[in-house]
Parts: sequence; structure tokens; C-alpha cells
Amino acid sequence: KQEVTQIPAALSVPEGENLVLNCSFTDSAIYNLQWFRQDPGKGLTSLLLIQSSQREQTSGRLNASLDKSSGRSTLYIAASQPGDSATYLCAVNQAGTALIFGKGTTLSVSS
Amino acid sequence: DVKVTQSSRYLVKRTGEKVFLECVQDMDHENMFWYRQDPGLGLRLIYFSYDVKMKEKGDIPEGYSVSREKKERFSLILESASTNQTSMYLCASRLAGGVGRAKNIQYFGAGTRLSVL
Repeated sequence: KQEVTQIPAALSVPEGENLVLNCSFTDSAIYNLQWFRQDPGKGLTSLLLIQSSQREQTSGRLNASLDKSSGRSTLYIAASQPGDSATYLCAVNQAGTALIFGKGTTLSVSS
Repeated sequence: DVKVTQSSRYLVKRTGEKVFLECVQDMDHENMFWYRQDPGLGLRLIYFSYDVKMKEKGDIPEGYSVSREKKERFSLILESASTNQTSMYLCASRLAGGVGRAKNIQYFGAGTRLSVL
């Protein structure tokens, strides 16, 4: 059964720092991997989707990479800002199933 | 803009009540999903629907049922609410599964925080 793990569970950084969030999954037979952001008490917002054939995807200050063979993805956030404070979740999509989520990394960026 | 609307942000119900959570999407998406989110447990899939009148059980379907009579609406039903169903409920939709980025981006509603007393 697919399992998705995110490390660390929480992270605090000062404003301006570059940071990396990690996601690992146990079964490499995935269609894609998605990164989401969740603000407290709110729904999820899709940030990036990497197809299984891709190595990375970029949107603004965010860059997500995928190494399917090793079961790993990273979300790189450049020049972090207080507005980036949120919980970041990764999820994998396998054939015939819904998304399987990690438990998230809660990021706090201080000014 | 993509929109998934959940009918209530907050609900308070009593044990034993029948509870309806409604979700509507305006994007003509085929697939819709219901999750619950609890601290320490993350998001867990309750039910999903690939198309109208089609439904599949997720990881934790016990105590829940769903209805999808129209493409845009997916309802979650708690047949007899219990205190252990107190949670945040999230609805999501996507165009369709399979290959292709646009088909797979999943859009979420704002969530319904349900308290069962």
C-alpha cells in the first residue's frame, strides 16, 4: 500500500531564507505528484503538479522536483516571505485511485 | 476561475442526527471526492465518484454514504452522526484521472468544520 511521508513536520525560518521541503513515497508506480498549500482552517490550493515523466516543475519562487525511482520529491521555496507561512502537503496519484496525501509540513516564516 | 463550493463552513449537530454536506463545482469535472482531515491523521479519503451515479469507497467509508445525481453536485451523508465524526470535511474535484496535467489538478472547497455533540 502506498505511503507518503513528509519531513520535517514543522519548520521555522527567518524571512529571506531559501528552504526545501521533503516528500517520500513507497511505491514508484505513480501518475503524478502534486504539492498543495493549506492555510489554517481553509481548503487546499494546488501549487504544482509534476507528471511521472517529468523531473521538475516551476512556478514563481517555487520549484518542485521528482525522482520517481528513489521515491522522492522536494519543494524548493526561494527567498521565503511571511506570506509563505502555511502547511504544505504533497500527494501522489496512482492508477485508478484518488490522491494519497502526506501529513504535511507546517512552515513558519518570521519577519 | 475554478470554483468548488461547500454549503457550510461550520456545522453543529447532535448525536444521531442525519447530516448532509453539500459540494458543488462549476467546472464540468467528472471526478469528485470527499475527505476528512484530522490532526495527526492527515487527509483521509471517504468516498469518490468518477461520474454521475458512480461512487467508490475510500479508506474510511463506514458511517457515511454519498449521492451524485447531477455532475456538479456531490453530497456526503452521515446517516446517524456520532461524536467521532467531528472533523474538518473537504470536498474536491478534478476534470478526470489518467494522463495529462490539466486532467489531474485537484481543486478543493474551503471545508466544512463539523462538530457533533
